[in-house]
Amino acid sequence: EPEVTQTPSHQVTQMGQEVILRCVPISNHLYFYWYRQILGQKVEFLVSFYNNEISEKSEIFDDQFSVERPDGSNFTLKIRSTKLEDSAMYFCASRTGSPGNTIYFGEGSWLTVV
Amino acid sequence: GENVEQHPSTLSVQEGDSAVIKCTYSDSASNYFPWYKQELGKGPQLIIDIRSNVGEKKDQRIAVTLNKTAKHFSLHITETQPEDSAVYFCAASNMNAGKSTFGDGTTLTVKP
Repeated sequence: EPEVTQTPSHQVTQMGQEVILRCVPISNHLYFYWYRQILGQKVEFLVSFYNNEISEKSEIFDDQFSVERPDGSNFTLKIRSTKLEDSAMYFCASRTGSPGNTIYFGEGSWLTVV
Repeated sequence: GENVEQHPSTLSVQEGDSAVIKCTYSDSASNYFPWYKQELGKGPQLIIDIRSNVGEKKDQRIAVTLNKTAKHFSLHITETQPEDSAVYFCAASNMNAGKSTFGDGTTLTVKP
């Protein structure tokens, strides 16, 4: 069964450093998402991406965050200058273009900022 | 924006019993309601979903009901097994908008 893959599975970074989290969505999917889950809390929407542009973003997704689909297969989340409160599990997700709206999640990238 | 509330936050049942998790939503434009199961250290996995043109959907031991008027939907798991133990999240979205708003999650423990 096709799946969303994410790398790295776990990254530890110094506060203030830049981090790039990578995702390979399911190949025929057209909508891409990043969600965040702080330990023990619920899954929070960060950003959605369609047709090579951001279609929606949450208040969490401030100027420190950016997304890119550089080569037609990868979908990346960049955090320019990490803060301690950015420590969380980051999930990439994707869905097809049809209105079925089933969103498939990757296994997550666990980011620890120290 | 959409606000999803989920209850209970924790639920413990004996193996073989049923478990029910309830969610309410606020945005009448929401028309798609997935349920996800999340095991420790893994991403949310879709287990069942329901669209607003349907009141109930069943898949083996799992069923979901939707009351659009009251804006609430529920997950029912029958004949629970220890492997059903996980965190369950409900979510609500508009099929046109795409993004899902999640509930706070329910930690289900099935005791053997």
